[in-house]
Amino acid sequence: DTEVTQTPKHLVMGMTNKKSLKCEQHMGHRAMYWYKQKAKKPPELMFVYSYEKLSINESVPSRFSPECPNSSLLNLHLHALQPEDSALYLCASSQVVREDTQYFGPGTRLTVL
Amino acid sequence: GESVGLHLPTLSVQEGDNSIINCAYSNSASDYFIWYKQESGKGPQFIIDIRSNMDKRQGQRVTVLLNKTVKHLSLQIAATQPGDSAVYFCAENSLMNYGGSQGNLIFGKGTKLSVKP
Repeated sequence: DTEVTQTPKHLVMGMTNKKSLKCEQHMGHRAMYWYKQKAKKPPELMFVYSYEKLSINESVPSRFSPECPNSSLLNLHLHALQPEDSALYLCASSQVVREDTQYFGPGTRLTVL
Repeated sequence: GESVGLHLPTLSVQEGDNSIINCAYSNSASDYFIWYKQESGKGPQFIIDIRSNMDKRQGQRVTVLLNKTVKHLSLQIAATQPGDSAVYFCAENSLMNYGGSQGNLIFGKGTKLSVKP
């Protein structure tokens, strides 16, 4: 099973809202990732968790707050977003961080009004 | 290929023909490469990978070729089908990416494959 699940599939929020994106994998992977993808562009890395610890934050604004409650779950908490944050947010996982295939979830389509 | 602005390079092929999608990478230290397929509204799907100690790897209907001399990667799809229509991304992985942070993927700009029935 190489499935990564993400909820919700679609999310519309106002600039003053607080919402969370959720990601889950049961492949025993110890590395999990958040990416942001704008239309017709490749995914851009936001955060990397390795063994439930944040190892990389790619200079992402503080209105995005990641959380890794356990080895199977990854959350992305959203607060005071801007319309330009509207994008497809992708979660991925791999066995470990180094040289391993990353498997992606279906993404959450986020629209900020 | 290279994209300009919001326009993805597009490859249009007839159903049943073979497709070749190309990718140039920039980091000579990259040692692991992956091809992903992304259909509209979905996440990237793993197709095939290759490590730098190989120059060719075959899967089901797909072949990846790696030319480290010119830093070029290609994906060949045999007998292309309408279901192959998607955007294809190459990705490279290097121990030197992200200022020393190990093992993170750098994606190419993507190529849109359109298959005509």
